[in-house]
Amino acid sequence: EIVLTQSPATLSLSPGERATLSCRASQSISSYLAWYQQKPGQAPRLLIYDASNRATGIPARFSGSGSGTDFTLTISSLEPEDFAVYYCQQRSNWPLTFGGGTNVEIK
Amino acid sequence: EVQLVESGGGLVKPGGSLRLSCAASGFTFSSYTMNWVRQAPGKGLEWVSSISSSSSYIYYADSVKGRFTISRDNAKNSLYLQMNSLRVEDTAVYYCARGNSWYPHFDYWGQGALVTVSS
Repeated sequence: EIVLTQSPATLSLSPGERATLSCRASQSISSYLAWYQQKPGQAPRLLIYDASNRATGIPARFSGSGSGTDFTLTISSLEPEDFAVYYCQQRSNWPLTFGGGTNVEIK
Repeated sequence: EVQLVESGGGLVKPGGSLRLSCAASGFTFSSYTMNWVRQAPGKGLEWVSSISSSSSYIYYADSVKGRFTISRDNAKNSLYLQMNSLRVEDTAVYYCARGNSWYPHFDYWGQGALVTVSS
């Protein structure tokens, strides 16, 4: 099973600041990584697929990068609606796995 | 507009059974891999099961293998999850999610169905 480790667990930032979230895989997953955003009481929403492709309707302030074992989600300038929990997920091998999440909270 | 609507959640005793359904609309259901993902209260996301567009290929997480059965009815645009021998640790919100390929990322999600296993 491929283990995804997200860091940090919590990120405290102010609106307008840049957010950098990390996801590390226990073995190479090529570019088969997605990022999701989840707000309280809501279903997750796909932001980025295959490491760097924005999903439909996702603003350009969200970007993804990386390949192999190290991946990054960057939010260039935090909007109030961006404070949420973010998960990464790999589709390289079964079982599909998620990271433990990063909580982006208002400082 | 893509819509996924789960139903069938509820309270069940340990060892009991429950069947979740997911009604899909707004896309060609028979062309997509479909999936179940769950989230225990206050916890992260856990993939449960996936079924290919024609039901030819099915995968399960080890935590549910032998107890849960995924199925679909393309004529009814519906996805199902039969859950038997339920355990307390199966308590979670169960999401139906569309996959964007056979090895999927999940591009659309339902609102979730809460399953509570408790005596």
